[in-house]
Amino acid sequence: RKEVEQDPGPFNVPEGATVAFNCTYSNSASQSFFWYRQDCRKEPKLLMSVYSSGNEDGRFTAQLNRASQYISLLIRDSKLSDSATYLCVVATSGTYKYIFGTGTRLKVLA
Amino acid sequence: NAGVTQTPKFQVLKTGQSMTLQCAQDMNHEYMSWYRQDPGMGLRLIHYSVGAGITDQGEVPNGYNVSRSTTEDFPLRLLSAAPSQTSVYFCASRVAGVWGADNTEAFFGQGTRLTVV
Repeated sequence: RKEVEQDPGPFNVPEGATVAFNCTYSNSASQSFFWYRQDCRKEPKLLMSVYSSGNEDGRFTAQLNRASQYISLLIRDSKLSDSATYLCVVATSGTYKYIFGTGTRLKVLA
Repeated sequence: NAGVTQTPKFQVLKTGQSMTLQCAQDMNHEYMSWYRQDPGMGLRLIHYSVGAGITDQGEVPNGYNVSRSTTEDFPLRLLSAAPSQTSVYFCASRVAGVWGADNTEAFFGQGTRLTVV
């Protein structure tokens, strides 16, 4: 079983739609969680960190469920510019390693 | 701000050739790492370093060497290129977290697209 698993998609949604991605992780000792965005043929960039209480940044909301070992990303009012691959990242404190999921591809359609 | 700079951006090698992928960061970050990205596999950690003079293996280290003689530079050496090493390579750096916590933003270079024929 992979340490971090994501549905690869693609998720094809119309502009203005709300879309949600989940990511599951297998190591219960994991302590840090992130969502990165990667545009086609570009480097990954941090979208947001995921905090225990959940956090929001504009149209983006991230949630953490430690009991079920998953994190989620909700995008409201999707824009064409949101089309990208969203990478789930998990880290266990003291290991220095960030483990990446394979990514979920989102296409927002006009 | 330069951030993380990788060179070259593209490279074609013949099987058996060796080469070095360069990575430099100007943010005084302690942690640096190399990943490879293949379709359907996500980013996989090759080697990483927590400071000058300290390196360790990641998930897929075979066929690669690294060294960290300065805080700024973290080159990745392919010893004898194989077609299986055809991939996109990313270098990343980040600061050490508070009390060693792994919760800081990783900054990536623009990637090196390597083809081994």
